[in-house]
Amino acid sequence: AQSVTQLGSHVSVSEGALVLLRCNYSSSVPPYLFWYVQYPNQGLQLLLKYTSAATLVKGINGFEAEFKKSETSFHLTKPSAHMSDAAEYFCALSSNTGNQFYFGTGTSLTVIP
Amino acid sequence: ETGVTQTPRHLVMGMTNKKSLKCEQHLGHNAMYWYKQSAKKPLELMFVYSLEERVENNSVPSRFSPECPNSSHLFLHLHTLQPEDSALYLCASSQDYPPHTEAFFGQGTRLTVV
Repeated sequence: AQSVTQLGSHVSVSEGALVLLRCNYSSSVPPYLFWYVQYPNQGLQLLLKYTSAATLVKGINGFEAEFKKSETSFHLTKPSAHMSDAAEYFCALSSNTGNQFYFGTGTSLTVIP
Repeated sequence: ETGVTQTPRHLVMGMTNKKSLKCEQHLGHNAMYWYKQSAKKPLELMFVYSLEERVENNSVPSRFSPECPNSSHLFLHLHTLQPEDSALYLCASSQDYPPHTEAFFGQGTRLTVV
C-alpha cells in the first residue's frame, strides 16, 4: 500500500523565519514524490519533485526538499518565509506500480508579519 | 495556450439542473483526472482516463458522468446533484498512466449546488 502523511494541518511562522512542512510516505517500491502549493480557489501548482535523481531537490520560490529513504520522509523547507508563501501545501506520491497519485491531507501555512 | 484549462471557473446550479464541466490540456499528455476537493477533506480522486479509456472510477455516484472524447479533452456531466456535491472540482493531466511524473492541474471549477 502507498500513502502520504503530512504532520500538522496548520503551521504558522513569522515572516523571515524558517519554513518546515513535514511529509512522510509509505511505499514498498521506489516512490516519486512531489510538493504542490495551492492558493485559495486555485488549482495545485508544482513546487518541486523527486524522481530518484538527487536526494536534495530545489524548487520554485526558494523551496527545497530532501528525500530521506531511511526516515521515509520528504520534508519541505524554505530558509526565510515571505508573506506570499501563505497557502495550502500538499505532498504527493506516485510510483511505477501504483495506479494513481496519493495526496496528503495538506498543511495550511500562515505567515505572521 | 499551454497547460490545463478548466471552464467554467464558477458554477451555481439547482438540484434539478444539468450542467457540464470542461477540461482541456495542451501538454500532449496521455492521462487525465477528475478530483473533488471539499472543505476540510482530502483531495478525492473521482475518475482517471488513459488514452481516452476510463481506468479508474472510485465509487462515484452516477449523477457524475465523465466523458473523454479525445486525449486533450475531458468533461464531467452533472445532473440532479445534491448540496453536498458543492466543492472545487479539479482536472489534472500527466504524461503517462500509471503516473511516473507530476500531474498538472487546472484552476478548478467552484461548484455550488443550491
